[in-house]
Amino acid sequence: KNQVEQSPQSLIILEGKNCTLQCNYTVSPFSNLRWYKQDTGRGPVSLTIMTFSENTKSNGRYTATLDADTKQSSLHITASQLSDSASYICVVRPGRSGTYKYIFGTGTRLKVLA
Amino acid sequence: EAGVAQSPRYKIIEKRQSVAFWCNPISGHATLYWYQQILGQGPKLLIQFQNNGVVDDSQLPKDRFSAERLKGVDSTLKIQPAKLEDSAVYLCASSLDRTVHRELFFGEGSRLTVL
Repeated sequence: KNQVEQSPQSLIILEGKNCTLQCNYTVSPFSNLRWYKQDTGRGPVSLTIMTFSENTKSNGRYTATLDADTKQSSLHITASQLSDSASYICVVRPGRSGTYKYIFGTGTRLKVLA
Repeated sequence: EAGVAQSPRYKIIEKRQSVAFWCNPISGHATLYWYQQILGQGPKLLIQFQNNGVVDDSQLPKDRFSAERLKGVDSTLKIQPAKLEDSAVYLCASSLDRTVHRELFFGEGSRLTVL
């Protein structure tokens, strides 16, 4: 069964610290993996999208990594800011022809404290 | 470029009442999705349109939910009659087409509370 699991479920860090969020998936075949940021009460906004051939992709202070062999991805946030407080959702797009569904993780809720 | 527009942002109804949500995707986007996001969970696909045709509605509770996308642009999602468990955020998303690497853009969502 195609699944996306994220850890930790929630995380609290102090402003200025770094953190890493994890995403493990069982989706096969695999087409791409996306990380979204969802502020409370808002829709998800795309941070990165990586295909199976990409290992790393950055977007400002956000760096996503992908290991297609172990089916793991991580999102590293550098020098966190209060505005980073949000849910971060990992989304996998299967690669099977004719499959158009996105498989969503349940998200990691990050709280950055001053 | 305008984003995905949704309305209303918030709606409170009593169980067994009906409600409708509206979505206007980004101009030119052929693919439109409706997702249900229950608090603390990831979005769950309800229905996917390609232009004005339904691609996937396998998880849409058809006894109470309906959706249409007339003329392949705006879309409406209706719930009738609503149940307590329908309390959730209803997200509309669009993409240029179904190509696997296309960016997916979400609206702000419509938060439904069923009392």
